[in-house]
Amino acid sequence: DIVMTQTPLSLSVTPGQPASISCKSSQSLLHSDGKTYLYWYLQKPGQSPQLLIYEVSSRFSGVPDRFSGSGSGTDFTLKISRVETEDVGVYYCMQGIHMWTFGQGTKVEIK
Amino acid sequence: QITLKESGPTLVKPTQTLTLTCTFSGFSLSTSGLGVGWIRQPPGKALEWLAFIYWNDDKRYSPSLKSRLTITKDISKNQVVLTMTDMDPVDTATYYCAHRPLPAGYFDYWGQGTLLTVSS
Repeated sequence: DIVMTQTPLSLSVTPGQPASISCKSSQSLLHSDGKTYLYWYLQKPGQSPQLLIYEVSSRFSGVPDRFSGSGSGTDFTLKISRVETEDVGVYYCMQGIHMWTFGQGTKVEIK
Repeated sequence: QITLKESGPTLVKPTQTLTLTCTFSGFSLSTSGLGVGWIRQPPGKALEWLAFIYWNDDKRYSPSLKSRLTITKDISKNQVVLTMTDMDPVDTATYYCAHRPLPAGYFDYWGQGTLLTVSS
């Protein structure tokens, strides 16, 4: 099984300030098809998860450009350039190269 | 517009078998490349993928739960059904179904989830 490890597990951010979440996988997520099967989700309080980023750095439809993803192989990062109050919730990374596995989640709150 | 909705019991007893139904619209599971998965989330805990079914009836299961899970589809009813045997209180969770588009490894549309409690 591929293990996904996120850090930190919680984050308190002042509105307008940046935030960064790390995700490391126990195996490379680079497929022979050239794609890297790493995704980021946000689960807002009381809601289902919503896709933010696919294939490391591509924003899903309707996702604000303050969200960006980077990384390769086994190390990935989600960055929020300027956190807004609506960004609170739990962020999950997920791998999809070998079935599917989620990270433990990072809870983001507003200071 | 793609929508999914989970349905099933809200309470089951330990050792019983759980049957959950995902009813969807906006796509057909007869379309090449598409798939539907099940994911659960215990209260206050992380997401856990459980099972997945492809358009061609190929299936994948979480290795840790494989012996207890069965996923099936009914194309005529636009439904995917998950059964889980030998339920335990640790299986208390919100259960989600989600759509996987072609060609992608992610789930883009999720149901609202259904909360299941396992208790005697």
